[in-house]
This record gives sequence, C-alpha cells and structure tokens, in this order.
Amino acid sequence: GQQVMQIPQYQHVQEGEDFTTYCNSSTTLSNIQWYKQRPGGHPVFLIQLVKSGEVKKQKRLTFQFGEAKKNSSLHITATQTTDVGTYFCALLYFRYIFGTGTRLKVLA
Amino acid sequence: KAGVTQTPRYLIKTRGQQVTLSCSPISGHRSVSWYQQTPGQGLQFLFEYFSETQRNKGNFPGRFSGRQFSNSRSEMNVSTLELGDSALYLCASSSGVGYGYTFGSGTRLTVV
Repeated sequence: GQQVMQIPQYQHVQEGEDFTTYCNSSTTLSNIQWYKQRPGGHPVFLIQLVKSGEVKKQKRLTFQFGEAKKNSSLHITATQTTDVGTYFCALLYFRYIFGTGTRLKVLA
Repeated sequence: KAGVTQTPRYLIKTRGQQVTLSCSPISGHRSVSWYQQTPGQGLQFLFEYFSETQRNKGNFPGRFSGRQFSNSRSEMNVSTLELGDSALYLCASSSGVGYGYTFGSGTRLTVV
C-alpha cells in the first residue's frame, strides 16, 4: 500500500534532550494530522495543520507545516519519559494515509 | 462521551476460517475508517464508510470486506484467513473529512 516516509525511523534520547520527527510528501497537501501511539496503545490525535507555514504549539510540542505544504515537523522540547511512543503523521489523499512513524525512546 | 468501542479485543483463528470484527463509533460520528497495523507495514488503510456507503477502499484483497449500519456501527469481515492477516485492526471515527480520528483500542487478530 501507499506509504509516507517519516524520518528518523527510531530515535533514542536522554531525558531532557530535544526531539524532532519529519514527514515529507511528494504532493501538496490540504492538511496534515499528527498522532501519538503509546506502546501497546492506539493512535491518539494530537493536532491538525491546514495553513501554509502554520506553527502550532501544545506545551512542549511544536508542530510546523511547510511553506509549500509538502512537509511537516513535530518538535518536542526537553523530552520526558511520558513522551515515549510512536509519532505518526497522516496525510489526506482522498483518505488519510499514515506515515511510517518515528519511534521515540526516552532514557531516564 | 463514550469513545470508539471495538469488539472483541483479542481473537485467535485458524487459517481458512473467517472473522467478523465490530466497531461502534463515537455518538454522532458518521465516518468510520478501518486500518490494519503490523510491525512491518505500519498503519494500512482498509476502508472508509460514511452514512452506510463505502467512500474509499484500500489495496487489500477481496477477502476483506466491510459494512456500516444505519446507526453508524461498522463491521469488517475477513474470509479465508491467512497467517499474514495477523495484525491489530483499528477502527477510527470522525465527524468528517478534515477532523481528527478517534481510534478504538483495536482488535488483535492472531491467525494460527
């Protein structure tokens, strides 16, 4: 099936370090969504970005939509152990296609 | 309000059997989508239903089918199960296109 690449695939960080995951599309997007899935859990909706160059913040999480609406990033400042999980972007191509995900491990 | 409910949570089936999974969306949500999640393939789109109509279908064989009822509850069926069908099947509901999904806890299907 169709897949959207996210980089990196895995990231191990020390608690307190920053973390960034990137999502790239070959086509212009109408919107992009981000989800978090804790180990053993299900994806949970975090945010939706719609406008070119849009930046949204949720506490230590910063989401950005590229100017060309072809890429997006999620940045976590000063990671905590509660940030552990897999972060997915989801792109709308008639239906939502999920990225391959970035698995984040935070070492205490 | 109640979240998305999927039943059963776990299922073990034998190759060749068929299985039916159920999903009750959030009250008022008319859009239901199904995804298959495996370690190797990630989250793969199966179908999307809106008001009892299949709006989109993913690249899965015809053994995978689904439907949605007038109360928005949805079922998916997999016939002639294969070992490779072992996965976590996730149902998600939303208010419509452009709104975030609310996922259920999933049904973990193991085919032996």
